[in-house]
Amino acid sequence: GEDVEQSLFLSVREGDSSVINCTYTDSSSTYLYWYKQEPGAGLQLLTYIFSNMDMKQDQRLTVLLNKKDKHLSLRIADTQTGDSAIYFCAEDGGATNKLIFGTGTLLAVQP
Amino acid sequence: EPEVTQTPSHQVTQMGQEVILRCVPISNHLYFYWYRQILGQKVEFLVSFYNNEISEKSEIFDDQFSVERPDGSNFTLKIRSTKLEDSAMYFCASPSPGGAVKGGDEQFFGPGTRLTVL
Repeated sequence: GEDVEQSLFLSVREGDSSVINCTYTDSSSTYLYWYKQEPGAGLQLLTYIFSNMDMKQDQRLTVLLNKKDKHLSLRIADTQTGDSAIYFCAEDGGATNKLIFGTGTLLAVQP
Repeated sequence: EPEVTQTPSHQVTQMGQEVILRCVPISNHLYFYWYRQILGQKVEFLVSFYNNEISEKSEIFDDQFSVERPDGSNFTLKIRSTKLEDSAMYFCASPSPGGAVKGGDEQFFGPGTRLTVL
């Protein structure tokens, strides 16, 4: 079955880099995504990567994909207090490209 | 920027009552989705809807749930007889304009409706 796992919590100091990891099981996914959820808010797409790529950079965000190990990571450079949120990885699956979300990682940025 | 809206923002109901959660997707979108997030847990897919019919649903989406697009703009999720375990945030989403769902399309999420079943 489809399952996406993440570590629950990450704490970093402002200005440091954050790396959030994710493992998934469905090797047929075409795209993998990172979403951000601030308290009480909806889901905001941060970035995504096509499954035949191994890296994508988008300003402070770097996505690494290891398809062999089914491992996805999100690196946030120069982490700011405004980056504090829950980060979900997701893969698309099924005929309608529904999103299968990970368990979410709470990122806490200490000033 | 395109925006998906949902009403109400918070709904409190008694167990066994029917609730209708409403979503106004971005115009010209053809695919719609409902997801839910139980407090402290991950976001789970409920159902996808295309061309006025259900195209895929999860195990969670049992006979108590139904979806409708009553007037061409609103998209509703109905729970016929709510249970305590239906308490969650419910999100609707629609992908980029154009109708065709392809990978990499951003799914625009609404702000969610918090459903509390007492």
